[in-house]
Amino acid sequence: GAGVSQSPRYKVAKRGQDVALRCDPISGHVSLFWYQQALGQGPEFLTYFQNEAQLDKSGLPSDRFFAERPEGSVSTLKIQRTQQEDSAVYLCASSFRAGQGAGDTEAFFGQGTRLTVV
Amino acid sequence: RKEVEQDPGPFNVPEGATVAFNCTYSNSASQSFFWYRQDCRKEPKLLMSVYSSGNEDGRFTAQLNRASQYISLLIRDSKLSDSATYLCVVTDTGNQFYFGTGTSLTVIP
Repeated sequence: GAGVSQSPRYKVAKRGQDVALRCDPISGHVSLFWYQQALGQGPEFLTYFQNEAQLDKSGLPSDRFFAERPEGSVSTLKIQRTQQEDSAVYLCASSFRAGQGAGDTEAFFGQGTRLTVV
Repeated sequence: RKEVEQDPGPFNVPEGATVAFNCTYSNSASQSFFWYRQDCRKEPKLLMSVYSSGNEDGRFTAQLNRASQYISLLIRDSKLSDSATYLCVVTDTGNQFYFGTGTSLTVIP
């Protein structure tokens, strides 16, 4: 498909388990974002890649969260030793442009991964 | 202080009503402005971009006031299908997207 693809769609993890969430952005999109969305809240920024470079990871809530995009396309968000407060929908978005002067360029979202930690 | 502030609502309006949402942003250097729509358990999707001159798309009108750092969305003649959460989105010079918490709209028959 031509859109942003995320997998798995749903993940149930036992507390303490490690999880890996995958994002396939739209081909050719330079920017890739990860967001965490709790129920009834707007998406909260986690991290941002421009190609393979992780330019901003200020939103990652703890050192248990790690993201990578080694070849500048597919990205993986890894959460180690999951806790109940990690339960949320994790959204990935991609955008064609990057950097200053990017102008009026929208971000396209995947359908998200709903993580439930029990 | 959050980058983008929105009234979470909920807004419950009858069909045919006009409803307005507002949003303020904190970074005066913000570059681009959008309204996204998010249906329950779905991903956000672009509704419309927001320009300084204001722009209209059918029943939807968006406006930007850079001096006041304020964005608005007006929906005229509300339809049942307009029921959703509306997210105000602002980008900075590094193309970072910042989202408001969203405003919930329910259009009642």
